[in-house]
Amino acid sequence: NAGVTQTPKFQVLKTGQSMTLQCAQDMNHNSMYWYRQDPGMGLRLIYYSASEGTTDKGEVPNGYNVSRLNKREFSLRLESAAPSQTSVYFCASSAQPSGQETQYFGPGTRLLVL
Amino acid sequence: EDKVVQSPLSLVVHEGDTVTLNCSYEVTNFRSLLWYKQEKKAPTFLFMLTSSGIEKKSGRLSSILDKKELFSILNITATQTGDSAIYLCVANAGGTSYGKLTFGQGTILTVHP
Repeated sequence: NAGVTQTPKFQVLKTGQSMTLQCAQDMNHNSMYWYRQDPGMGLRLIYYSASEGTTDKGEVPNGYNVSRLNKREFSLRLESAAPSQTSVYFCASSAQPSGQETQYFGPGTRLLVL
Repeated sequence: EDKVVQSPLSLVVHEGDTVTLNCSYEVTNFRSLLWYKQEKKAPTFLFMLTSSGIEKKSGRLSSILDKKELFSILNITATQTGDSAIYLCVANAGGTSYGKLTFGQGTILTVHP
């Protein structure tokens, strides 16, 4: 039982390049989330998926797209990376849409956009 | 706009000291408050608080919520170097299908030997 896994762990991109961050969970959770963490800003929600087949925008969705491939996997795509997207990205999951449920986080992906 | 404010933003203590971390919140449709510990990796869950005045404890850590004054505190007694981390306070709100989470900036705790 690996919990929440993310790939890659670290990535350097040039402005304008695209990439996809992968996230998978093996806890049979229904809900999955993508956050970014910046110094002094705390964690901010980018997109979430309350259940398989649904996705919704969070607090800072601009410049990102997501895909809930199946119940296990939730990917985050940057179509044209910008330096402002330099951040640490965390994927999380919870059994149900977060209300009284704990979210479990992956190890994070450090992204540097030059 | 919902917000969560933590204080202090950073704290340096010596092993054995007791620390109190503060979290105030202003959240529409508040449901619960969560504390996470973040080391050099992802946040890990510590406590979830839903009722006022009921202290939750786990070893040397304890936390309590005051829903009237809209704040929570996290206490760590007899601190150890392994307690060095960022402590995140998170407010959970209802009213949507996912229950919106608002994160505080975090308190960076450094415990020296």
